[in-house]
Amino acid sequence: AQSVTQLGSHVSVSEGALVLLRCNYSSSVPPYLFWYVQYPNQGLQLLLKYTTGATLVKGINGFEAEFKKSETSFHLTKPSAHMSDAAEYFCAVSYPNTGNQFYFGTGTSLTVIP
Amino acid sequence: DTAVSQTPKYLVTQMGNDKSIKCEQNLGHDTMYWYKQDSKKFLKIMFSYNNKELIINETVPNRFSPKSPDKAHLNLHINSLELGDSAVYFCASSQDVPLLGNEQFFGPGTRLTVL
Repeated sequence: AQSVTQLGSHVSVSEGALVLLRCNYSSSVPPYLFWYVQYPNQGLQLLLKYTTGATLVKGINGFEAEFKKSETSFHLTKPSAHMSDAAEYFCAVSYPNTGNQFYFGTGTSLTVIP
Repeated sequence: DTAVSQTPKYLVTQMGNDKSIKCEQNLGHDTMYWYKQDSKKFLKIMFSYNNKELIINETVPNRFSPKSPDKAHLNLHINSLELGDSAVYFCASSQDVPLLGNEQFFGPGTRLTVL
């Protein structure tokens, strides 16, 4: 079965510290990979995505993620957390061979401590 | 200009009532979706339409009926509302079907509360 796992439903970091949010997928076919952010009482907004090409992808707000096929991972990082980064983060995948659906992880709530 | 819009933003209603949520996208996208987000933030796909045709119909009670009058609109009608229907409902759209790698654009959500 195709699925997405986000380890850690809650992550807390201090302001200025590294942010690392984990995402792993399970399939034999490399998927398209996405990270979305959801601020309180808002819809989801795309942070970045990987489809093909360079495996290190840079997104908005200083976030980046690296696709590692050998580890089936697409972890999201940011070198220095800001208070404004506090939000819910979702990893999602879609597949080039099964075209109709996105699969979302269960989300990681990021808290930034001043 | 709002890319994906939903109305209403908040909906409070009594059990047993029938209600509708409207969604419109002005991005020229071919595919639209409805998701349900529960209190634990878990996102569940409900329906997806491509060029007005239903392509995903997940295990959702048949009290929920989507309607796509044209490519830019995907409305959600809910009959006989139940307490468990309380959630935030998100509409989304993408340029084409997911196999082409296009991302989704989400609306602001409709918070449905059933009393």
